[in-house]
Formats: sequence, C-alpha cells, structure tokens
Amino acid sequence: QQQVKQSPQSLIVQKGGISIINCAYENTAFDYFPWYQQFPGKGPALLIAIRPDVSEKKEGRFTISFNKSAKQFSLHIMDSQPGDSATYFCAASDSNYQLIWGAGTKLIIKP
Amino acid sequence: KAGVTQTPRYLIKTRGQQVTLSCSPISGHRSVSWYQQTPGQGLQFLFEYFSETQRNKGNFPGRFSGRQFSNSRSEMNVSTLELGDSALYLCASSPRVRGDNEQYFGPGTRLTVT
Repeated sequence: QQQVKQSPQSLIVQKGGISIINCAYENTAFDYFPWYQQFPGKGPALLIAIRPDVSEKKEGRFTISFNKSAKQFSLHIMDSQPGDSATYFCAASDSNYQLIWGAGTKLIIKP
Repeated sequence: KAGVTQTPRYLIKTRGQQVTLSCSPISGHRSVSWYQQTPGQGLQFLFEYFSETQRNKGNFPGRFSGRQFSNSRSEMNVSTLELGDSALYLCASSPRVRGDNEQYFGPGTRLTVT
C-alpha cells in the first residue's frame, strides 16, 4: 500500500514533443505529490509538486495532472528540449513526512 | 542560503571495513534523510532524523546506522562493508513542517567497495 508505481522506465522523445510520465499510488492518506529531476552526477532537485485539492498545476513547460479518484498523477513536459534529458522521479508522502519514491524514468530528448 | 553539503564526495573502501559519511543540512532545517542510489535503481530510503531522533527507517540491515547532532548535522555509518554497498549515498534536508515537506538534496557521496 505504500508503493508508488512509475512508468515508463525509459522514454525517448523528439525535440519539441510532449513527454509524459505516469505514477500510481494506493495509499489514500498521501497528501503531497512532488516530481524530482536528477541529472547525472547530481542529487535530485524538486521540479514541481501538487496537493490533492487541485487537479492540475503548471509551471512553465511542466504540468502535473492529478486524478484523485484513479489515484494517479502524471508529469507532462511540453516542447521537450535536449536539456530536459534527465531521470525523473515521482514521490508521495503523508502526514508522517516520509517520501515514498517511484522507480524513476530516464528521459532522453532527441535533437 | 548554502545548500546541503556532503563529505566526502568520493570514497574507496575495502570489503569488511567501515565508513562514516557526513551531511550538513540547509540552515534552519531540522530533518535529514539518507538514501542509497545504485545504477539503474531508484532512491532507496535508509532513515530520517529529526531533532536528533530517528523518525523513519527503511529496510536496510543493522550494518547501516545514523545519528544527528544538536546542530542538525548528520552522519551515517556502514559497518562491515560488502561489495553491494557500492552506491551513491544521498542526503536530503527538509523543514519538515506542515505544508512544506520539500526535500533538498546534496550532491551525494560516491562509495566504491573493492
């Protein structure tokens, strides 16, 4: 029940295309859903986060879509650029503050 | 504000030895979490310390231990190193207050066990 399932494991998208990464969870007590971006040799960095009282949050080219009834959330990267090539992790946490992490998606944007 | 710092950045140890890694959180953050990341793997949660107390613990053997000091700096120790302990060890600090659970990661310590 504590798992967060992330898909796909890897993704190749053409420059200018839309990258979509999906995550699903079971624990309805989760109340915070962040996405992190990690470049090789660096620690992950928060990209964007959402709470379950909204269905969508947009920051620049990055959008989180949240479906509470389906217990799913996804990251959309519009107009994907080569600089977006990185590993993306979704996560979820409840009032216990511990983040439960997805397995990660390696995104490659082809020029 | 200075970011999360981890020392050392790289470490080579021999099987059977022990190692201590250090993490200094962002000023004002009282929570420090530790993760293990191996190639192709996600982030495996080790433990979290808040106000010098271990609050959460992952599924790692007792060879992995940690502590937090009164200034929020944290150390993790791995005893009797095994080849499989080779990994990137990441530390993350957080304010850990209601409404703000963002974790800020350090650059990690790359541990190689030979």
